[in-house]
Amino acid sequence: KAGVTQTPRYLIKTRGQQVTLSCSPISGHRSVSWYQQTPGQGLQFLFEYFSETQRNKGNFPGRFSGRQFSNSRSEMNVSTLELGDSALYLCASSLNPRDTNQPQHFGDGTRLSIL
Amino acid sequence: DQQVKQNSPSLSVQEGRISILNCDYTNSMFDYFLWYKKYPAEGPTFLISISSIKDKNEDGRFTVFLNKSAKHLSLHIVPSQPGDSAVYFCAANAGGSNYKLTFGKGTLLTVNP
Repeated sequence: KAGVTQTPRYLIKTRGQQVTLSCSPISGHRSVSWYQQTPGQGLQFLFEYFSETQRNKGNFPGRFSGRQFSNSRSEMNVSTLELGDSALYLCASSLNPRDTNQPQHFGDGTRLSIL
Repeated sequence: DQQVKQNSPSLSVQEGRISILNCDYTNSMFDYFLWYKKYPAEGPTFLISISSIKDKNEDGRFTVFLNKSAKHLSLHIVPSQPGDSAVYFCAANAGGSNYKLTFGKGTLLTVNP
């Protein structure tokens, strides 16, 4: 069974640009969440999508946005990139979001570097 | 305000011995707790979880204990193996439709042969 797939694995951008990251969840999983990992702040929740709707949002500025498609695949977009956006962006999917006793399974992430 | 705390940045144990990783939380709304293992350049891998209605959950070499009154959980690995060397993250969820994980900063476990 394929795991969570994130593309691309690595990305280099410059300040002011925008970027789109992609996530394909495990087959059958309908909830997709995004996290940012930095050395200083650790793993921080960005947002969660279910049935193409954002159900939950973390404490990040509006430059961070996302969407989910009907096949549960999700994209995350960051506009007007800043140096501080350099991080590992992780996507996680889960089977049934209404049953909280279900773990989230993570992809290997996209390493974004801002120059 | 850090709601999930892993106060030990690192832990070193000998192969075959027990590894105990600790985690404290402050939010009494958390009702589901998870442990993840992370190798460099990979995403976190789910290890084991526990619901707040239980105080212990076991899966092979891994056991998680939950002490709700102390708002404390721990992960026991017995026996520890060199392949267990990784960063371990404790995570918690507040339940209902608020499905977002709050993570601790992680503990680097090194198992020496």
